[in-house]
Amino acid sequence: GENVEQHPSTLSVQEGDSAVIKCTYSDSASNYFPWYKQELGKRPQLIIDIRSNVGEKKDQRIAVTLNKTAKHFSLHITETQPEDSAVYFCAANNQAGTALIFGKGTTLSVSS
Amino acid sequence: GAVVSQHPSRVICKSGTSVKIECRSLDFQATTMFWYRQFPKQSLMLMATSNEGSKATYEQGVEKDKFLINHASLTLSTLTVTSAHPEDSSFYICSARDGQQAFFGQGTRLTVV
Repeated sequence: GENVEQHPSTLSVQEGDSAVIKCTYSDSASNYFPWYKQELGKRPQLIIDIRSNVGEKKDQRIAVTLNKTAKHFSLHITETQPEDSAVYFCAANNQAGTALIFGKGTTLSVSS
Repeated sequence: GAVVSQHPSRVICKSGTSVKIECRSLDFQATTMFWYRQFPKQSLMLMATSNEGSKATYEQGVEKDKFLINHASLTLSTLTVTSAHPEDSSFYICSARDGQQAFFGQGTRLTVV
C-alpha cells in the first residue's frame, strides 16, 4: 500500500525565517497531496493541497511543490510567526484513491 | 467548508466495557468515512474505511471484531471499541470527504482504566 515518509521530525526556526518540510510517497497512482496543521488535542486543519496535474501552488505565506517523477512534495512556509508553531502532516491518497495516508509529522517551533 | 461532527469528545471507561463513538457529516452526504487512531506524539494511522450499507474495510493489523464499524446512513458512521483495554486508550478521529478534500471530526480522547 501507499507509504508516506516525512522529514524532518522536528524543526526549529527563528521568527521571520522560512521553514521547509519534505515528504515522499511510494504509490505512483496517488494524485492528491494535502498538508495539515494540528494543534495539541485538536483535529487536523487543512492548510494547502495540491493535485498531481499541478507542480506548485501558493497561498500567501504557504506554498507546496510537487515532483511526480521523483514522488516527493514539499511544504514551504515563509516569514514564519510564533503562531505557526504546531505539528504539520503531509498526506497522500491510498491505492483505492479514497483514504489519506499520513506522514509521521513535523513539529515546527518558531521562536520570537 | 464541510463540517464533520464527532461525539463524544472525551470518554473514560472501565476495562472490559464497550464504547461507541459517532461521526456525522452535517452538511453533506458521505458514502465513505474513515477512522483513524492517533497515539501521543504520533501520526494518524488509518484503521478502517466505513462504507454506507456494506461492510467496513479494515487495515492490516486492525481487529474487526474489536473495532466494530457501522455506517447505516449517508451521514452517520459509528465505531464501537469492544472489551476495551488500557492499550486501546488513544485519540480516535473520523474523516469524511466532500469531493477530494477530507474533513475531520473533533476527535475522541478515549481513556480505559
